[in-house]
Amino acid sequence: QQQVRQSPQSLTVWEGETAILNCSYEDSTFNYFPWYQQFPGEGPALLISISSVSDKKEDGRFTIFFNKREKKLSLHITDSQPGDSATYFCAASAQGGSAKLIFGEGTKLTVSS
Amino acid sequence: NAGVIQTPRHKVTGKGQEATLWCEPISGHSAVFWYRQTIVQGLEFLTYFRNQAPIDDSGMPKERFSAQMPNQSHSTLKIQSTQPQDSAVYLCASSLGGGVYEQYFGPGTRLTVL
Repeated sequence: QQQVRQSPQSLTVWEGETAILNCSYEDSTFNYFPWYQQFPGEGPALLISISSVSDKKEDGRFTIFFNKREKKLSLHITDSQPGDSATYFCAASAQGGSAKLIFGEGTKLTVSS
Repeated sequence: NAGVIQTPRHKVTGKGQEATLWCEPISGHSAVFWYRQTIVQGLEFLTYFRNQAPIDDSGMPKERFSAQMPNQSHSTLKIQSTQPQDSAVYLCASSLGGGVYEQYFGPGTRLTVL
C-alpha cells in the first residue's frame, strides 16, 4: 500500500520554465510534508517543508501548495535551471506519532537548456 | 558542521556474510533514523532512535537485521547472513529532536551482496 504518491514519474522542462511536481497522500494523520532533492550518488537533501496548518510555503524559486481537503500538495520550481535536474521526493509524517518519514516514489526532473 | 557521516560508502559482501554499517549523526541531534533505498521499493523507513533509545523499528526485517545506538555520537546497522536482496543504499538521517523536526540525510552506504 503506497501511502504517498507522486506524479509524474519523470518531467522535462526547458530552462526558465516552471516545473510542477505533484504529491498526494492517504493518511489523514499526516501533517508534516518535506520535499527532498536527490542527485545521483548522494543522499536526499531537504529542500523545503510545510505543515498542514499552512496552504503555501515559499523559499526562493521553490513553493509548496497544500490542499488539506483533497490531501494533495505540489512543488513549483520557477525559473528552472539545469542544476535543478534531480529526483524530487515528497514525504509525509504525523506529528505526535512516529517521526518516521513515508516517501513517495519520486519525480525525476530534467531541465534542458 | 560535517553533516551526517556514514561509513563505509561502499561495501561488497558475499552471500551469508555479515555487514555492519556505521552512522555518525550531526552533533547535537538527538534522533537517528535508518532508511533503505532500492530502485524497486524506493525509500523505506527501517528504524529510529531518540536519545539513544529505540523508538520505532516497524520497518526492520524481523530476521537478520538489528540496529544499535550505544552512544549519542554513533549508530550501527548490522545485517547477518546477508542475501542478494539486501543489496541497497542504506541511508542514515538525524534530526534535532524526535518529534517532527527536519531530518538531514547522510550520503548513504551502498551495500552489494554477491
